[in-house]
Amino acid sequence: NAGVTQTPKFQVLKTGQSMTLQCAQDMNHEYMSWYRQDPGMGLRLIHYSVGAGITDQGEVPNGYNVSRSTTEDFPLRLLSAAPSQTSVYFCASSYSNDGPYNSPLHFGNGTRLTVT
Amino acid sequence: QQPVQSPQAVILREGEDAVINCSSSKALYSVHWYRQKHGEAPVFLMILLKGGEQKGHDKISASFNEKKQQSSLYLTASQLSYSGTYFCGTSGAYNTDKLIFGTGTRLQVFP
Repeated sequence: NAGVTQTPKFQVLKTGQSMTLQCAQDMNHEYMSWYRQDPGMGLRLIHYSVGAGITDQGEVPNGYNVSRSTTEDFPLRLLSAAPSQTSVYFCASSYSNDGPYNSPLHFGNGTRLTVT
Repeated sequence: QQPVQSPQAVILREGEDAVINCSSSKALYSVHWYRQKHGEAPVFLMILLKGGEQKGHDKISASFNEKKQQSSLYLTASQLSYSGTYFCGTSGAYNTDKLIFGTGTRLQVFP
C-alpha cells in the first residue's frame, strides 16, 4: 500500500494563478483532510471530508476549494494564489467516518508551495 | 481555537526526561500526539480518549486530564531519535470531526 500520496512535491506559482494539489489514499479511509503548516503556527486545518460527497470548512478555508467525488481522492484547489498561501500543505486521512477523534491521522509527504 | 503547548522548545542530553504540555480552553473529547522530523510528515504517537487510561509507548507515555482540559506527554530516558517537533491535536466534545493542532514543541536531544 502506498498510503497517502500527494502531488506535486514542490510548486511555484505567480500571484493570481490557480492550481490543484492532489491527494490520494489507498487505505479505504472515509475521513480526509488538508492542513497547512507555517513556521510558528503549527498545523492548521483548511478543509475536511467525512466521506464521498461531504466536505466542510476547517480553521482557515478562505481562498481554497475542495470536493470529494470518490473515497480515494481529495484535491485542494487554490482559486487565485496569493503570497500568503506560501506554505507546506499536508493531506491526511483516517479510517473512521465519525472523524479523527478516535483514529490516527496518516499524513502524506507534503507539497511545498511558493507564491511569488 | 488552537490548543496551547508548552514549553515551545526543550534541549536535553541523552538519558534525560522531558514533559510537554497541551491545554485547551474548550472541553476535550480526545487528544492525539504526533512527532515530526525536519522535512518530513508528522507521525502518529498515541491517542487518549475521554474516560480512557494513561497510555504508553516504549519510554513515551501520556496522560489526559479531562477536568483541566489538559494532556501531557512524558519522554523518559530520551534518545537521539526523540529529536523533532511534537504536536498535540485535540478534538472537542461537539466537534469530533475536526482535529485541531497546537503550535508544536521543538525537542532537541544531544549526546
